[in-house]
Amino acid sequence: GAVVSQHPSRVICKSGTSVKIECRSLDFQATTMFWYRQFPKQSLMLMATSNEGSKATYEQGVEKDKFLINHASLTLSTLTVTSAHPEDSSFYICSASGQGAPNYGYTFGSGTRLTVV
Amino acid sequence: SQKIEQNSEALNIQEGKTATLTCNYTNYSPAYLQWYRQDPGRGPVFLLLIRENEKEKRKERLKVTFDTTLKQSLFHITASQPADSATYLCALYYSGNTPLVFGKGTRLSVIA
Repeated sequence: GAVVSQHPSRVICKSGTSVKIECRSLDFQATTMFWYRQFPKQSLMLMATSNEGSKATYEQGVEKDKFLINHASLTLSTLTVTSAHPEDSSFYICSASGQGAPNYGYTFGSGTRLTVV
Repeated sequence: SQKIEQNSEALNIQEGKTATLTCNYTNYSPAYLQWYRQDPGRGPVFLLLIRENEKEKRKERLKVTFDTTLKQSLFHITASQPADSATYLCALYYSGNTPLVFGKGTRLSVIA
């Protein structure tokens, strides 16, 4: 089946530094990637949608200069949290859809727990 | 805007019983509705999909129903086991490459 690999699974960083999260589709072409953020006991909240080779579309209230998304290839998308602050601590999850993906369309990565200290 | 409600934040049941989880939505019906399982610290894992023109879907011990008149989906786990303990999310899909819209989830605990 379709697999989306997300790394790292956990990261702790100091306030003010930047963190990059990678999301790779291993056996299909991910034409579209979605990035979500999830706080404890809350639902997955969509942050942005990116199509390969295009600029990402951000949801209202998500700072595009803070959460940089790159989707330069059909198998890789990255989310960079710039100048991270403790309030950015959360669980970040990517999902992908595209040619070769299952017919339900969406495969999720295993998530990244970001802790900013 | 679309709202999704999953009836309870947490549900405890005895092993062997059937767990029933509810997902209600407002406004217009989705093209299809999905159910996911999420374990702590992990991403969601797809379980079942049901289309707007389908009433019921089954997969092993899982059953999903979809009533577009009531704007409701029910998710059943029969003969529940402690290993079924997890958070279950419902998600709505509308069209094209639009993102899924998720409910908050129901945390199911199956007690031995």
